[in-house]
Amino acid sequence: QKEVEQDPGPLSVPEGAIVSLNCTYSNSAFQYFMWYRQYSRKGPELLMYTYSSGNKEDGRFTAQVDKSSKYISLFIRDSQPSDSATYLCAIRNSGGSNYKLTFGKGTLLTVNP
Amino acid sequence: EAQVTQNPRYLITVTGKKLTVTCSQNMNHEYMSWYRQDPGLGLRQIYYSMNVEVTDKGDVPEGYKVSRKEKRNFPLILESPSPNQTSLYFCASSRGRGEAFFGQGTRLTVV
Repeated sequence: QKEVEQDPGPLSVPEGAIVSLNCTYSNSAFQYFMWYRQYSRKGPELLMYTYSSGNKEDGRFTAQVDKSSKYISLFIRDSQPSDSATYLCAIRNSGGSNYKLTFGKGTLLTVNP
Repeated sequence: EAQVTQNPRYLITVTGKKLTVTCSQNMNHEYMSWYRQDPGLGLRQIYYSMNVEVTDKGDVPEGYKVSRKEKRNFPLILESPSPNQTSLYFCASSRGRGEAFFGQGTRLTVV
């Protein structure tokens, strides 16, 4: 079983739709959860960062973590064409000397005007 | 402005010709890492450093070297590049427990 699984899509939605992006993970030692947005030919840009179960909201974005199910989600409300990008979940464990992020493969999102 | 800066952004080279990709961060972060991104494989860690003079291998270190002589800089060295190292490379930095920040990437082609 892969450490982090993410549906690669692609996902195509109309402008204004609510988008749900998801990842599952297998290692219960994972404690820190991030969502990155990556535009074509650009570096990953941090969107959300959380380390506890529950919801975290930032503007149109909500990150949700369910540690009991090993499931994380990113919701985008009122999606805009500028949200069209690849979305990557990234997870790391709680300790150790290696700050290593384990990434999902990314979901390509297109928001159509 | 807080940032991670990589150079060059694009590089085409020939097999066996040594090259260095530079990475610099201005956030005084202890942790720095190099990743490569390939279609279908996602982002994979090459090497990491938890502080000056402390480096270690990530998941795909073969064919790469790194050094950390100063806190802000973490260059990636390819002593003898091969075509299978053609990829998109990212440098990242972090405080440790916090989130990681990425550079804009270096697209390397080895012919």
